[in-house]
Amino acid sequence: DSGVTQTPKHLITATGQRVTLRCSPRSGDLSVYWYQQSLDQGLQFLIQYYNGEERAKGNILERFSAQQFPDLHSELNLSSLELGDSALYFCASSLGQVTGELFFGEGSRLTVL
Amino acid sequence: GDSVTQMEGPVTLSEEAFLTINCTYTATGYPSLFWYVQYPGEGLQLLLKATKADDKGSNKGFEATYRKETTSFHLEKGSVQVSDSAVYFCALSERVKDTGRRALTFGSGTRLQVQP
Repeated sequence: DSGVTQTPKHLITATGQRVTLRCSPRSGDLSVYWYQQSLDQGLQFLIQYYNGEERAKGNILERFSAQQFPDLHSELNLSSLELGDSALYFCASSLGQVTGELFFGEGSRLTVL
Repeated sequence: GDSVTQMEGPVTLSEEAFLTINCTYTATGYPSLFWYVQYPGEGLQLLLKATKADDKGSNKGFEATYRKETTSFHLEKGSVQVSDSAVYFCALSERVKDTGRRALTFGSGTRLQVQP
């Protein structure tokens, strides 16, 4: 158990809809990262937050947004969903901004029909 | 930008066979290098790391040496077990001035299947 909790584990929705994925980092970790894992794109970095502030942005679509709250949990919002958004979304956390040893959650599997 | 290239999988081996999974990288600076492992139905977990050239990371019988001259970080294990069946990801993290380091850049992953 990594200590990172993601909900929901599975989500099935329709095109055009909006969903929110939630992540609770390990106790004491200030950084949260979101990654998307799909069969054809591999593991893609989306965005990083550190202590409530956005620190780095990767290949995140404009339809997607995220935030980190004062209690350090984070939410990833995916809107106007398309079939191609079906993927496993991972949250990871680390103590500081210096990356390397990330602790991953078990992921949220999103299926868009 | 930074990138990591791994050998295509799946890699299928018999128990006790020798394992090599190749990983090469492209980076402009001096990255730290990592191997992560993803067991079925689980998230990724750090297997080993190396932070500078010629460092050797090791854990659970796995080893990888940071080779700057060949920009490689190949994963090896002398004798694999069925329980090693998983997907292995090579990753790098490069230092940048403003935030310290970028988030990890991962390779595409290599699936290892070990047969009894």
